[in-house]
Amino acid sequence: GQNIDQPTEMTATEGAIVQINCTYQTSGFNGLFWYQQHAGEAPTFLSYNVLDGLEEKGRFSSFLSRSKGYSYLLLKELQMKDSASYLCAVRGSNDYKLSFGAGTTVTVRA
Amino acid sequence: GAGVSQSPSNKVTEKGKDVELRCDPISGHTALYWYRQRLGQGLEFLIYFQGNSAPDKSGLPSDRFSAERTGESVSTLTIQRTQQEDSAVYLCASSLQARTSGTPSYEQYFGPGTRLTVT
Repeated sequence: GQNIDQPTEMTATEGAIVQINCTYQTSGFNGLFWYQQHAGEAPTFLSYNVLDGLEEKGRFSSFLSRSKGYSYLLLKELQMKDSASYLCAVRGSNDYKLSFGAGTTVTVRA
Repeated sequence: GAGVSQSPSNKVTEKGKDVELRCDPISGHTALYWYRQRLGQGLEFLIYFQGNSAPDKSGLPSDRFSAERTGESVSTLTIQRTQQEDSAVYLCASSLQARTSGTPSYEQYFGPGTRLTVT
């Protein structure tokens, strides 16, 4: 089975940096995804990590350590529009299903 | 191009009634997934289709749930004899292909969902 944990809520100030951690225990591993979901909308793809290390994409970066079963999503220069839920999802080896964490709601304050 | 579309966007039904939810995937995407998202919770996998292969129904919560897909096009999710615990947002996603290792990611693209309320 899959067990994916991430904090429920985080609050940060506009212009600041926030790091959302995700830990997972899965039967096999074939990639970790981060999705952003605004209230009432569909999740949208942010990043994908399958090898250890940091993937940077503009203001967003994602890190993976497979040996530790750990990932984080780093949001820099926070903007009000970044207020959303951030979902960590893991794909098991030889599998296609994504197992999702419950999501972290990030609130950006002025 | 057009993204994943779902209909209806909202559905209110009485307990015991049947409902049918529709998903139109992105053209050319061979893999299609259905998920359920209860309020404040993560996405729960329901069923997966890949081309003409037998679907993976392992996530369907009961035999009241069924889904069909014709080829690589539209899919419908049917819930019979709805119960209040079926109230949730039902999300459909599609991807170029499902099974992969390493890169690329073949990420899933999600539709806007159908919000189902069973009264």
